[in-house]
Amino acid sequence: AQSVSQHNHHVILSEAASLELGCNYSYGGTVNLFWYVQYPGQHLQLLLKYFSGDPLVKGIKGFEAEFIKSKFSFNLRKPSVQWSDTAEYFCAVNALNFGNEKLTFGTGTRLTIIP
Amino acid sequence: ETGVTQSPTHLIKTRGQQVTLRCSSQSGHNTVSWYQQALGQGPQFIFQYYREEENGRGNFPPRFSGLQFPNYSSELNVNALELDDSALYLCASSLSQGSNNEQFFGPGTRLTVL
Repeated sequence: AQSVSQHNHHVILSEAASLELGCNYSYGGTVNLFWYVQYPGQHLQLLLKYFSGDPLVKGIKGFEAEFIKSKFSFNLRKPSVQWSDTAEYFCAVNALNFGNEKLTFGTGTRLTIIP
Repeated sequence: ETGVTQSPTHLIKTRGQQVTLRCSSQSGHNTVSWYQQALGQGPQFIFQYYREEENGRGNFPPRFSGLQFPNYSSELNVNALELDDSALYLCASSLSQGSNNEQFFGPGTRLTVL
């Protein structure tokens, strides 16, 4: 069964700092990869997704992620964070060999941006 | 375009009771997935319905059951509630066409079991 690891449980940064959140998954087959964000009091929203092609994907609000197949990683990056980026971030994987769209999520990373 | 909606927003039940949670899919979507998100955890896949048939199930006991209706709305039923069932229950819908599908999440139903 697939699993997802997010090693950073809580990250605290100052505004304008650069961000990188780690995500590793365990599954040897073809995967679709996602980053979701959950702002305080709001529902899960898609930040970006990787299906195929260019391993560097760009999402909303200046976020990007790089899929490194050899490392089973899909790290999220942003060059300069803003206070409004304070939220919970979830990495998720869909293993394509099971015939459904089951998403396996990591435990999440809580990001706090200090003004 | 109407997004995914869920009802009720909050619910309080006692141990042993039964509960039904409801979800309306985003317009045009034919697949619904249900997830349980315990406090401080990521969402855990419960099951998925595609065109009214169960299409995959996570590691949840049979007292968790579901339905999908012809209009693609869905229900999650939980029998014999336990304290550990207290969680945020999320519904997500998607349009299944090929293998590259994106799920859109609703706001969730917060269930508290006393």
